[in-house]
Parts: sequence; C-alpha cells; structure tokens
Amino acid sequence: AQKITQTQPGMFVQEKEAVTLDCTYDTSDPSYGLFWYKQPSSGEMIFLIYQGSYDQQNATEGRYSLNFQKARKSANLVISASQLGDSAMYFCAMREAPNSGNTPLVFGKGTRLSVIA
Amino acid sequence: GAVVSQHPSRVICKSGTSVKIECRSLDFQATTMFWYRQFPKQSLMLMATSNEGSKATYEQGVEKDKFLINHASLTLSTLTVTSAHPEDSSFYICSAPMAEKLFFGSGTQLSVL
Repeated sequence: AQKITQTQPGMFVQEKEAVTLDCTYDTSDPSYGLFWYKQPSSGEMIFLIYQGSYDQQNATEGRYSLNFQKARKSANLVISASQLGDSAMYFCAMREAPNSGNTPLVFGKGTRLSVIA
Repeated sequence: GAVVSQHPSRVICKSGTSVKIECRSLDFQATTMFWYRQFPKQSLMLMATSNEGSKATYEQGVEKDKFLINHASLTLSTLTVTSAHPEDSSFYICSAPMAEKLFFGSGTQLSVL
C-alpha cells in the first residue's frame, strides 16, 4: 500500500502568489515524522521542513509552512510569495519511529512546481 | 544542517566494469546510512540500509551481489556497482540520519555505456 500519496504530478503558480502542494500519508505507527524536500534539476535533495507526529503546532521555515492535519493524515506544504527559483520537484516523505535511528524515509511520487513570471 | 558528502557526482563507465560511490558524513557520525536510486522523472526508491560494522540490509528486488555496500567507519559508506550494465544507469543518492532528520549527499549520476 502506498504510504505517501502526492496527487498533483504538476502545478503552476504565478510569481509572488502562494501555492499548496498536497500530501497524504498512511501509517499505524503513533510516532512518525513528515518531511518535504525540494529537488532542483541538479538532483540534490534540499531539506525544507519537518513535522513530528507529536508536534502541537504546524511547522514553519521562512516561506514554507506545513499544514498538518493529523486526523485526516495530511501534511500539505504551503509556499508563500513564490519565486522563480522555487521551480523544482517537491517530494513529501515520511519516517516512522524517527528517533530510532535506523528507519529510512519513504517518498511520494513528487510534484513538479513551475513558477511563472 | 549536517553535511553529507558524496563522490563522484557523475561517472561514465563501460559495461562490465565496477564503479564505487562514496558517502561521508562530514560533521557527525552515522552508524546507519541509506542508499536510494532514482530513475528519470521518478521518485527515490530505497535500495539498502548500510550499517556500520555489520551487513547491509537490502530491499526486496535489489541484488546484494551486484550492489556491494560497505560501511567501514562511522563516517563512511560505499556503494559499489559491480559488472555494471546499461540498465544500472541511474541517479544514486545516499542519506544519513541525525536525530529525527535525514541529510542527503548530492547524488551520483551513473551512465553505463
């Protein structure tokens, strides 16, 4: 069964506008972490934001915020004030028992974001 | 954030040769490292978990004799693609955990001719 689902293969957004990238997840482990990574054409995986399953507040990192709705098992990424440099592939990922040290990340299929001038 | 160094960034080799990819955690120790493979326009798929001082754990469908993993120290894991074939051409990327987060190397683009 798919553990991470990203339903938007591609998204377009106007420069300076906000955009939401969807992510839903599936786990029975009460302890998990949710991640968003940006992958530009160079291939590197750039860490954007992290949300722990026990965190009470939604995570924010500059222009990035994570809309964490635990009951709905969703972890959408919101990018505010989009910039041309935000054009890239975005991956949602989950890590079960994140503090155990030896569990990997499981990735969604990704969403390609294109920012239009 | 923590730094993970991966070399080489790009390698082109002939079919039948072996290629070694190195992954180093520069400012922290990692008893575990993860190796992923990514085909064009696809997501990252976990290949194996590298464990310092013990055997690697391979995901289903990944040939352990073809993709040799060695985790010789707390800061270095290597992936050797043995007897490479064109279908092994892919983007390989390693990651190391620090606390609850994972940090990635810059990846290696392997092209087998």
